[in-house]
Amino acid sequence: EIVLTQSPGTLSLSPGERATLSCRASQSVSSTSLAWYQQKPGQAPRLLIYGASSRATGIPDRFSGSGSGTDFTLSISRLEPEDFAVYYCQEYGSSRTFGQGTKVEIK
Amino acid sequence: EVQLLESGGGLVQPGGSLRLSCAASGFAFSNCAMSWVRQAPGKGLEWVSAISTDGRGTYYSDSVKGRFTISRDNSKNTLYLQMNSLRVDDTAVYHCAKGSGPSRPYYFDSWGQGILVTVPS
Repeated sequence: EIVLTQSPGTLSLSPGERATLSCRASQSVSSTSLAWYQQKPGQAPRLLIYGASSRATGIPDRFSGSGSGTDFTLSISRLEPEDFAVYYCQEYGSSRTFGQGTKVEIK
Repeated sequence: EVQLLESGGGLVQPGGSLRLSCAASGFAFSNCAMSWVRQAPGKGLEWVSAISTDGRGTYYSDSVKGRFTISRDNSKNTLYLQMNSLRVDDTAVYHCAKGSGPSRPYYFDSWGQGILVTVPS
């Protein structure tokens, strides 16, 4: 089973700053099978990125995904107040595993 | 608009059973694989189970295999999760999740709000 490790656990930033979130896999992942989700308190997760770098419908272009092999990154170019949330990566090609999440909090 | 509405959650004693339902609308339900994903209080997301479009293919995480059964009724646009032999560590919010397509690999492009299942110690 593929294990996904996200870092950091918590990211403290101010609105307008850039956020860089990491997702590392225990073995190589197909770049077509890596997704990112956003979850706010009390809400359902929302799909942000699929196929490592493709934005889902309606997702602003300040969100971008990159990476291949075992290392993937979600970047938020300029944090808006509504972006403070928990972010999860997921491998959906073989194991459907989620990472443990990165919380982006207001500094 | 895609809508996924879970029901059937609640408080159940250890060893008990519960059946969750997920009513789907706004998309061609019979053309999409479906899953259940749970989230224990204060914890991350855990995939629980998946089902193919025709219901013949069912898949489970090791933590629920042999205790949970996923099924679907395409005539009613409804997904189910029968949960037996419930344990304290099954306590979680259970989300219904829509697969992006009929077969793997698929990501989850829509999620229900979730329903709480509580198994007290």
